[in-house]
Amino acid sequence: GENVEQHPSTLSVQEGDSAVIKCTYSDSASNYFPWYKQELGKRPQLIIDIRSNVGEKKDQRIAVTLNKTAKHFSLHITETQPEDSAVYFCAASIRSSSASKIIFGSGTRLSIRP
Amino acid sequence: GAVVSQHPSRVICKSGTSVKIECRSLDFQATTMFWYRQFPKQSLMLMATSNEGSKATYEQGVEKDKFLINHASLTLSTLTVTSAHPEDSSFYICSAKGTSGGRDEQYFGPGTRLTVT
Repeated sequence: GENVEQHPSTLSVQEGDSAVIKCTYSDSASNYFPWYKQELGKRPQLIIDIRSNVGEKKDQRIAVTLNKTAKHFSLHITETQPEDSAVYFCAASIRSSSASKIIFGSGTRLSIRP
Repeated sequence: GAVVSQHPSRVICKSGTSVKIECRSLDFQATTMFWYRQFPKQSLMLMATSNEGSKATYEQGVEKDKFLINHASLTLSTLTVTSAHPEDSSFYICSAKGTSGGRDEQYFGPGTRLTVT
């Protein structure tokens, strides 16, 4: 079935360093790949997304890359800050008979060490 | 814009009772709404997709008779957990897609924490 795999499950980086989270997806028809940040007990917040017609997108310290051939996409956070500590989820859109739905990866708990 | 609300934010109920959770799109019309469940320290698992005016489509392994979904209008979907048991305790989050703008972007509600005692 449709699947989105994410790694690592936990990531600890020194403040100021970069963090990279990687995902793979199984449905070759997927064309929308959002990334979410979730703080404890709160809703997921969309931080960046990319569509299949581009290979890279950047928004300040956050960038996402997409390799459709390999079905890989990655999140890059540069110059990490303490407020970047949270759980991050990748996701991919899956087309179905009822609607386009979003399937989440398993999540990465990012900790920024001061 | 694109605000989604959920009510209640927290609910505690006794085993065997039913609980209804509401999901509303406040400033847009949602043709499709989704219900997710999230257990502690785990990911969001899609339970079902509902389109306004039609029956919900449930993901594999989700009991449709236990998790009743009604999407009666373009701004409201409800999830009723029937005969709740302690293992149903979880964080339930809805999301909604609008009729305009980004075709794939979903807007999430704040979630409802259900505790079954």
